[in-house]
Amino acid sequence: AQSVTQLGSHVSVSEGALVLLRCNYSSSVPPYLFWYVQYPNQGLQLLLKYTSAATLVKGINGFEAEFKKSETSFHLTKPSAHMSDAAEYFCAVRKTGANNLFFGTGTRLTVIP
Amino acid sequence: NAGVTQTPKFQVLKTGQSMTLQCAQDMNHNSMYWYRQDPGMGLRLIYYSASEGTTDKGEVPNGYNVSRLNKREFSLRLESAAPSQTSVYFCASKQGAGELFFGEGSRLTVL
Repeated sequence: AQSVTQLGSHVSVSEGALVLLRCNYSSSVPPYLFWYVQYPNQGLQLLLKYTSAATLVKGINGFEAEFKKSETSFHLTKPSAHMSDAAEYFCAVRKTGANNLFFGTGTRLTVIP
Repeated sequence: NAGVTQTPKFQVLKTGQSMTLQCAQDMNHNSMYWYRQDPGMGLRLIYYSASEGTTDKGEVPNGYNVSRLNKREFSLRLESAAPSQTSVYFCASKQGAGELFFGEGSRLTVL
């Protein structure tokens, strides 16, 4: 079955510090992987997606994620946190040819001034 | 551009009451989805419609029904609401292998 595991339901970083949000997937074949962001009282927005074209994927707002098959991971990073990055982040997976996305449980990012 | 529009944004029901959540998209997408979001559980798929005229169950379909009224509209109905259905509901749509576009959510409380 397709699934993703997000380690850490809450992550706090200082403004300007590195952001690292962890996501591991379980799949027998390399899937499509996504990171979404949800700001308070809003729907989800796509940050970036992996579709096997390149292992390092750059997204919006300075975020990037690296697909590591050997570790079955797709961690999200940003070199320098900004106050506006405070939000909830969701990793999601979709099997090739399937229609549905399966979401992780989310990680709430707090940025400390 | 409106994108995905959900109504109502907030609703309070008593146990046993029924209601319908409405969703409409103006992006000419084929596929539409209903998710529920609960604390610590992420988003879980209730039902989806891969194309007009088709609907399929997701992970948590019990207690819900859906109607794909036309290409634009996909409604979610609770026939007899239960407190366990207190949640935030999101409608989403996409075209082919493209990204999911989400509405702003409908917050439902069942007393």
